[in-house]
Amino acid sequence: AQTVTQSQPEMSVQEAETVTLSCTYDTSESDYYLFWYKQPPSRQMILVIRQEAYKQQNATENRFSVNFQKAAKSFSLKISDSQLGDAAMYFCAYRSAGFGNEKLTFGTGTRLTIIP
Amino acid sequence: DAGVIQSPRHEVTEMGQEVTLRCKPISGHDYLFWYRQTMMRGLELLIYFNNNVPIDDSGMPEDRFSAKMPNASFSTLKIQPSEPRDSAVYFCASSLRGQESVYTFGSGTRLTVV
Repeated sequence: AQTVTQSQPEMSVQEAETVTLSCTYDTSESDYYLFWYKQPPSRQMILVIRQEAYKQQNATENRFSVNFQKAAKSFSLKISDSQLGDAAMYFCAYRSAGFGNEKLTFGTGTRLTIIP
Repeated sequence: DAGVIQSPRHEVTEMGQEVTLRCKPISGHDYLFWYRQTMMRGLELLIYFNNNVPIDDSGMPEDRFSAKMPNASFSTLKIQPSEPRDSAVYFCASSLRGQESVYTFGSGTRLTVV
């Protein structure tokens, strides 16, 4: 079974600075998807960024980028120019690319605080 | 599209009562998932459906929980009888196979059992 580990329960960053959230995962599969979801106090789960395992290029979405290290099974999220609206819980998630196994497995989350 | 719609947003009930949570997935999506979020256990998959058929219900905690999907546009999660330990936020999500494997979540139902 796949597992996702987020070792940082809480992180804080000064507004406009850069912060990196860590995520590691364990799998025996070669093809899969990785995601970062944001959950603000409104509790809505919002997709931040996704990465296909077969793509070597790291995904980017505006101020959000990932560092995907497949051999190390590491998938960190970098937030540049942090803004107050980035304050939220961030969840790393894994999904198999194989047909018949559609479940999304989540890490325990990292609570990000933005310091004005 | 209005997204995944869940109701109610909040539910407070007494122990022993029946509770029904509702979900309307995004039109055209063929997968529907029910997740539960608690402080202690994080986000857990309870059950998911493909084309209205339950595929994996191994996460359903016990017989008090049941889920149905009578058609492509509606699903329910029922707890009977409810217990205080069922207090959690319950999320519904839907996806379309092949659509870049993206899940869309509803805004969740916060259930409190007193």
